[in-house]
Amino acid sequence: LAKTTQPISMDSYEGQEVNITCSHNNIATNDYITWYQQFPSQGPRFIIQGYKTKVTNEVASLFIPADRKSSTLSLPRVSLSDTAVYYCLVGDSGWGNTPLVFGKGTRLSVIA
Amino acid sequence: GAGVSQSPSNKVTEKGKDVELRCDPISGHTALYWYRQRLGQGLEFLIYFQGNSAPDKSGLPSDRFSAERTGESVSTLTIQRTQQEDSAVYLCASRVSNEQFFGPGTRLTVL
Repeated sequence: LAKTTQPISMDSYEGQEVNITCSHNNIATNDYITWYQQFPSQGPRFIIQGYKTKVTNEVASLFIPADRKSSTLSLPRVSLSDTAVYYCLVGDSGWGNTPLVFGKGTRLSVIA
Repeated sequence: GAGVSQSPSNKVTEKGKDVELRCDPISGHTALYWYRQRLGQGLEFLIYFQGNSAPDKSGLPSDRFSAERTGESVSTLTIQRTQQEDSAVYLCASRVSNEQFFGPGTRLTVL
């Protein structure tokens, strides 16, 4: 399993762009990078997934450099409701027997 | 369509009792995970089922913990002789491709 490292916590003011970087030096060729968001008292939910370069959806952007040893989740103009824990996972997208597991995540606190 | 459901939503038990937690995954999802999340902590992987393969039990913390899954449907997580340190939210997720869909969790409190 590719191990991931991300900051334990981050603070931001409302309206700012937030970038959370995840390191995954041992990422394998078949691995995708996936980010999840977890609000208090809820299970995590999928935000975005990518393999290389840049992916953008209505919630966030994901930047992946050419060597794929890190990735950056970018949240534009955060609001108080973006306060949550953000998890970075790496793993293959196939039907193999390797489970995807969560690390400790990054606790984002958005301040008014 | 229906998401992942878990029952009960809350369970309070006395130390030493056995508990059984249930997870109903999304239909057609062959992969199913159980996680434990203590207050203020990250997700702790417990067990993983993938189709008809032998489950990956590497995350189970002790032999008091066990889980079963009937085919590609319901799964139950059983904790025997519960201890106070077992108090946590137990989350179930089913997976398609690289995305896991989580249930609301069962909050277990061991008195």
